[in-house]
Amino acid sequence: GAVVSQHPSRVICKSGTSVKIECRSLDFQATTMFWYRQFPKQSLMLMATSNEGSKATYEQGVEKDKFLINHASLTLSTLTVTSAHPEDSSFYICSARGFNSGGNQPQHFGDGTRLSIL
Amino acid sequence: GESVGLHLPTLSVQEGDNSIINCAYSNSASDYFIWYKQESGKGPQFIIDIRSNMDKRQGQRVTVLLNKTVKHLSLQIAATQPGDSAVYFCAENNDYKLSFGAGTTVTVRA
Repeated sequence: GAVVSQHPSRVICKSGTSVKIECRSLDFQATTMFWYRQFPKQSLMLMATSNEGSKATYEQGVEKDKFLINHASLTLSTLTVTSAHPEDSSFYICSARGFNSGGNQPQHFGDGTRLSIL
Repeated sequence: GESVGLHLPTLSVQEGDNSIINCAYSNSASDYFIWYKQESGKGPQFIIDIRSNMDKRQGQRVTVLLNKTVKHLSLQIAATQPGDSAVYFCAENNDYKLSFGAGTTVTVRA
C-alpha cells in the first residue's frame, strides 16, 4: 500500500518552456502532498505543501509564480515550472502523507522527475 | 532554523556484517522520526519510523534507536546485503513537515 506515482520521470526541454509534473496517490487519499527539490549529492529541500482544495503553502525563498501547484483532487497534485530556465534543472520529488499500521503518518514518495532545461 | 543532520557522509560495510547509521537532531520538540532509503535516480523509500515516546522499534532486519537525552537517532541494519547499498536519510517531523538530514551513503563490499 501507500504507492505514489510521479510522471513524467524525465523531461528535457528548451529554455522558456513550461513543464507540468503530476503526482498521484494510487491506493490512498492524500489531503496533503509535498513537493521537494534535490540537487546532486544533496538532501531533499521542501519547496511547498500542497493542500487539496486550497492554495499551496510555499517555503521561504520559493517563488510561487514560478512553481505553480494545483491540488484539485484527493489523489492528484501537479507542479508546473513556468518559463523554465537552465537553473531550474533539478530532481523534483513529490510525496503524500498516508497512515501506517501504527497510526503514524509517514510521507511516501514518488520516484521523482529529472528536469533538464537546455 | 533547526535541522536534522548526520554524523558521517559515507559508510562502507562488508556484506553480512551489521550496519549502523547515525543521525543527530537539534529540535527537541520533534515527536516523530523516519528513516528513508534512496537509491540512485529514485525517490526516498520508507524504511521505519519511531515516535518520541519510544526508544526502540524493530522491523525486518532493521532497528531504529532514539535517544532523546542526547537527541540522537540511529538505524541498524542486520546482515547487510548488496541491495542495501543506497543513501540513507533520517527525517524529523514537525507540524507535518519533514526536515531531512544530509544523508549517509552506504556501500556494501562483497
